[in-house]
Amino acid sequence: DAGVIQSPRHEVTEMGQEVTLRCKPISGHDYLFWYRQTMMRGLELLIYFNNNVPIDDSGMPEDRFSAKMPNASFSTLKIQPSEPRDSAVYFCASDISTSGKYNEQFFGPGTRLTVL
Amino acid sequence: EDQVTQSPEALRLQEGESSSLNCSYTVSGLRGLFWYRQDPGKGPEFLFTLYSAGEEKEKERLKATLTKKESFLHITAPKPEDSATYLCAVGISSGSARQLTFGSGTQLTVLP
Repeated sequence: DAGVIQSPRHEVTEMGQEVTLRCKPISGHDYLFWYRQTMMRGLELLIYFNNNVPIDDSGMPEDRFSAKMPNASFSTLKIQPSEPRDSAVYFCASDISTSGKYNEQFFGPGTRLTVL
Repeated sequence: EDQVTQSPEALRLQEGESSSLNCSYTVSGLRGLFWYRQDPGKGPEFLFTLYSAGEEKEKERLKATLTKKESFLHITAPKPEDSATYLCAVGISSGSARQLTFGSGTQLTVLP
Protein backbone atom coordinates (compact mmCIF):
# COMPACT_ATOMS: atom_id res chain seq x y z
CA ASP A 1 0.00 0.00 0.00
CA ALA A 2 1.22 3.52 -0.77
CA GLY A 3 0.31 4.80 2.67
CA VAL A 4 -1.53 8.04 3.34
CA ILE A 5 -1.10 10.46 0.45
CA GLN A 6 -1.26 14.23 0.85
CA SER A 7 -1.06 17.02 -1.67
CA PRO A 8 0.40 19.47 -2.18
CA ARG A 9 3.56 18.89 -0.13
CA HIS A 10 4.27 22.60 0.02
CA GLU A 11 1.94 25.55 -0.40
CA VAL A 12 2.87 29.22 -0.32
CA THR A 13 0.03 31.69 -0.56
CA GLU A 14 -0.84 35.24 0.32
CA MET A 15 -3.08 36.34 3.12
CA GLY A 16 -6.73 36.28 2.14
CA GLN A 17 -6.40 33.53 -0.43
CA GLU A 18 -8.24 30.23 -0.26
CA VAL A 19 -6.15 27.13 0.43
CA THR A 20 -7.24 23.54 -0.13
CA LEU A 21 -5.29 20.60 1.24
CA ARG A 22 -5.99 17.09 0.05
CA CYS A 23 -5.69 13.63 1.56
CA LYS A 24 -6.12 10.05 0.42
CA PRO A 25 -6.26 7.62 3.35
CA ILE A 26 -5.03 4.05 3.34
CA SER A 27 -7.52 1.82 1.56
CA GLY A 28 -9.85 0.06 4.00
CA HIS A 29 -9.28 2.51 6.83
CA ASP A 30 -12.53 3.95 8.19
CA TYR A 31 -11.14 6.76 10.35
CA LEU A 32 -9.49 9.89 8.97
CA PHE A 33 -7.86 12.62 11.04
CA TRP A 34 -6.57 16.10 10.25
CA TYR A 35 -3.80 17.50 12.47
CA ARG A 36 -1.82 20.72 12.55
CA GLN A 37 1.76 20.91 13.85
CA THR A 38 3.55 24.07 14.96
CA MET A 39 6.58 24.68 17.12
CA MET A 40 4.50 26.51 19.69
CA ARG A 41 1.54 24.14 20.02
CA GLY A 42 2.89 20.81 18.83
CA LEU A 43 0.58 18.34 17.12
CA GLU A 44 -3.09 19.25 17.46
CA LEU A 45 -6.14 17.37 16.23
CA LEU A 46 -8.41 19.55 14.10
CA ILE A 47 -11.18 17.18 13.05
CA TYR A 48 -11.80 13.50 12.46
CA PHE A 49 -14.19 11.43 10.37
CA ASN A 50 -15.60 7.94 10.71
CA ASN A 51 -17.03 6.33 7.59
CA ASN A 52 -16.92 9.74 5.87
CA VAL A 53 -18.97 11.42 8.61
CA PRO A 54 -17.40 14.21 10.73
CA ILE A 55 -17.39 13.07 14.35
CA ASP A 56 -15.55 15.78 16.24
CA ASP A 57 -14.55 19.18 14.85
CA SER A 58 -13.92 20.85 18.20
CA GLY A 59 -10.27 21.36 17.28
CA MET A 60 -11.04 23.46 14.22
CA PRO A 61 -9.72 26.89 15.17
CA GLU A 62 -12.48 28.99 13.60
CA ASP A 63 -15.04 29.23 10.85
CA ARG A 64 -12.38 29.93 8.28
CA PHE A 65 -11.52 26.23 8.45
CA SER A 66 -13.71 23.55 6.91
CA ALA A 67 -13.23 19.87 6.08
CA LYS A 68 -15.08 17.42 3.91
CA MET A 69 -14.90 13.74 3.12
CA PRO A 70 -17.06 13.06 0.06
CA ASN A 71 -16.01 9.42 -0.14
CA ALA A 72 -13.86 6.83 1.61
CA SER A 73 -10.77 7.63 -0.42
CA PHE A 74 -10.65 11.44 -0.35
CA SER A 75 -10.78 14.31 2.10
CA THR A 76 -10.10 18.04 1.91
CA LEU A 77 -9.23 20.70 4.44
CA LYS A 78 -10.00 24.21 3.29
CA ILE A 79 -8.95 27.53 4.77
CA GLN A 80 -10.78 30.59 3.51
CA PRO A 81 -9.53 33.27 3.90
CA SER A 82 -6.03 32.25 4.96
CA GLU A 83 -4.02 34.25 7.51
CA PRO A 84 -0.29 34.25 8.38
CA ARG A 85 -1.04 32.52 11.70
CA ASP A 86 -2.32 29.52 9.74
CA SER A 87 1.24 28.77 8.65
CA ALA A 88 2.02 25.25 9.89
CA VAL A 89 2.44 21.67 8.75
CA TYR A 90 -0.88 19.94 8.24
CA PHE A 91 -1.01 16.17 8.56
CA CYS A 92 -3.65 13.70 7.56
CA ALA A 93 -3.78 10.30 9.28
CA SER A 94 -5.98 7.23 9.04
CA ASP A 95 -6.67 4.07 10.98
CA ILE A 96 -8.98 1.10 11.00
CA SER A 97 -11.43 0.47 13.81
CA THR A 98 -11.31 -2.60 15.99
CA SER A 99 -14.11 -3.12 18.47
CA GLY A 100 -13.35 -1.26 21.71
CA LYS A 101 -9.71 -0.75 20.90
CA TYR A 102 -7.53 2.14 19.90
CA ASN A 103 -5.31 1.33 16.97
CA GLU A 104 -2.28 3.15 15.71
CA GLN A 105 -2.83 6.00 13.28
CA PHE A 106 -0.80 6.15 10.10
CA PHE A 107 0.32 9.59 9.08
CA GLY A 108 0.89 11.13 5.70
CA PRO A 109 3.99 13.18 4.81
CA GLY A 110 2.23 16.46 5.57
CA THR A 111 1.61 19.73 3.74
CA ARG A 112 3.80 22.65 4.75
CA LEU A 113 1.67 25.78 4.45
CA THR A 114 3.16 29.25 4.42
CA VAL A 115 0.81 32.23 4.37
CA LEU A 116 2.55 35.49 3.57
CA GLU B 1 -7.95 18.10 31.86
CA ASP B 2 -6.01 15.38 30.06
CA GLN B 3 -2.29 16.11 29.92
CA VAL B 4 0.73 14.46 28.37
CA THR B 5 4.20 15.67 29.33
CA GLN B 6 7.43 14.48 27.76
CA SER B 7 10.92 14.91 29.17
CA PRO B 8 13.54 15.88 28.47
CA GLU B 9 12.74 18.29 25.64
CA ALA B 10 16.07 17.50 24.02
CA LEU B 11 18.70 14.83 24.60
CA ARG B 12 22.16 14.47 23.12
CA LEU B 13 23.87 11.08 23.41
CA GLN B 14 27.10 9.61 22.21
CA GLU B 15 26.75 6.57 20.01
CA GLY B 16 26.38 3.55 22.29
CA GLU B 17 25.29 5.61 25.31
CA SER B 18 21.98 4.14 26.51
CA SER B 19 19.25 6.35 27.98
CA SER B 20 15.49 6.70 28.51
CA LEU B 21 12.81 9.12 27.42
CA ASN B 22 9.85 9.82 29.69
CA CYS B 23 6.16 10.35 28.94
CA SER B 24 3.97 11.12 31.95
CA TYR B 25 0.23 11.40 31.58
CA THR B 26 -2.83 12.50 33.51
CA VAL B 27 -5.92 11.18 31.80
CA SER B 28 -9.29 9.82 32.81
CA GLY B 29 -9.28 6.29 31.49
CA LEU B 30 -6.30 5.31 29.36
CA ARG B 31 -7.25 3.36 26.24
CA GLY B 32 -3.76 3.16 24.81
CA LEU B 33 -0.38 4.86 24.85
CA PHE B 34 1.43 5.27 21.55
CA TRP B 35 5.03 6.06 20.68
CA TYR B 36 5.93 7.64 17.36
CA ARG B 37 9.17 8.67 15.73
CA GLN B 38 9.27 11.80 13.58
CA ASP B 39 12.14 12.69 11.25
CA PRO B 40 12.54 16.25 9.96
CA GLY B 41 10.13 17.02 7.13
CA LYS B 42 8.19 13.79 7.57
CA GLY B 43 5.04 12.59 9.28
CA PRO B 44 5.13 10.69 12.57
CA GLU B 45 5.97 7.01 12.14
CA PHE B 46 4.33 4.51 14.47
CA LEU B 47 6.59 2.56 16.85
CA PHE B 48 4.59 0.96 19.69
CA THR B 49 1.21 0.71 21.36
CA LEU B 50 0.87 -0.14 25.06
CA TYR B 51 -2.53 -0.83 26.58
CA SER B 52 -2.02 -1.75 30.24
CA ALA B 53 0.37 -1.14 33.10
CA GLY B 54 3.22 -3.61 33.11
CA GLU B 55 3.17 -4.09 29.37
CA GLU B 56 6.45 -3.91 27.45
CA LYS B 57 7.24 -3.84 23.72
CA GLU B 58 10.61 -4.09 21.99
CA LYS B 59 11.89 -3.28 18.54
CA GLU B 60 15.58 -3.36 17.70
CA ARG B 61 17.28 -0.92 20.11
CA LEU B 62 14.02 0.45 21.47
CA LYS B 63 11.95 -0.80 24.39
CA ALA B 64 8.75 0.82 25.62
CA THR B 65 7.29 0.26 29.08
CA LEU B 66 4.10 1.46 30.77
CA THR B 67 3.03 2.15 34.35
CA LYS B 68 -0.18 3.72 35.61
CA LYS B 69 1.30 7.21 35.40
CA GLU B 70 4.06 7.14 32.82
CA SER B 71 5.77 5.41 29.97
CA PHE B 72 9.45 5.11 29.18
CA LEU B 73 11.15 4.63 25.87
CA HIS B 74 14.50 2.99 26.54
CA ILE B 75 17.18 3.28 23.88
CA THR B 76 19.99 0.77 24.16
CA ALA B 77 23.32 1.44 22.45
CA PRO B 78 21.87 4.09 20.13
CA LYS B 79 23.23 4.82 16.68
CA PRO B 80 23.23 8.13 14.78
CA GLU B 81 20.28 6.91 12.69
CA ASP B 82 18.17 6.86 15.87
CA SER B 83 18.31 10.66 15.87
CA ALA B 84 14.75 11.96 15.57
CA THR B 85 11.93 13.49 17.60
CA TYR B 86 10.05 10.91 19.65
CA LEU B 87 6.41 11.63 20.37
CA CYS B 88 4.08 9.90 22.77
CA ALA B 89 0.30 10.09 22.57
CA VAL B 90 -2.59 8.82 24.66
CA GLY B 91 -6.04 7.68 23.70
CA ILE B 92 -8.65 8.15 26.38
CA SER B 93 -11.88 6.46 27.31
CA SER B 94 -14.52 9.01 26.40
CA GLY B 95 -17.59 7.71 24.64
CA SER B 96 -16.78 7.06 21.03
CA ALA B 97 -13.83 9.44 21.03
CA ARG B 98 -10.90 8.37 18.90
CA GLN B 99 -8.63 11.35 19.27
CA LEU B 100 -5.07 11.04 20.47
CA THR B 101 -3.51 13.69 22.69
CA PHE B 102 0.16 14.17 21.84
CA GLY B 103 3.04 15.28 24.00
CA SER B 104 5.45 17.93 22.77
CA GLY B 105 8.16 15.39 21.99
CA THR B 106 11.78 14.69 22.86
CA GLN B 107 14.35 15.64 20.25
CA LEU B 108 17.08 12.99 20.34
CA THR B 109 20.49 13.54 18.79
CA VAL B 110 22.98 10.67 18.71
CA LEU B 111 26.51 11.74 17.94
CA PRO B 112 28.94 9.41 16.17
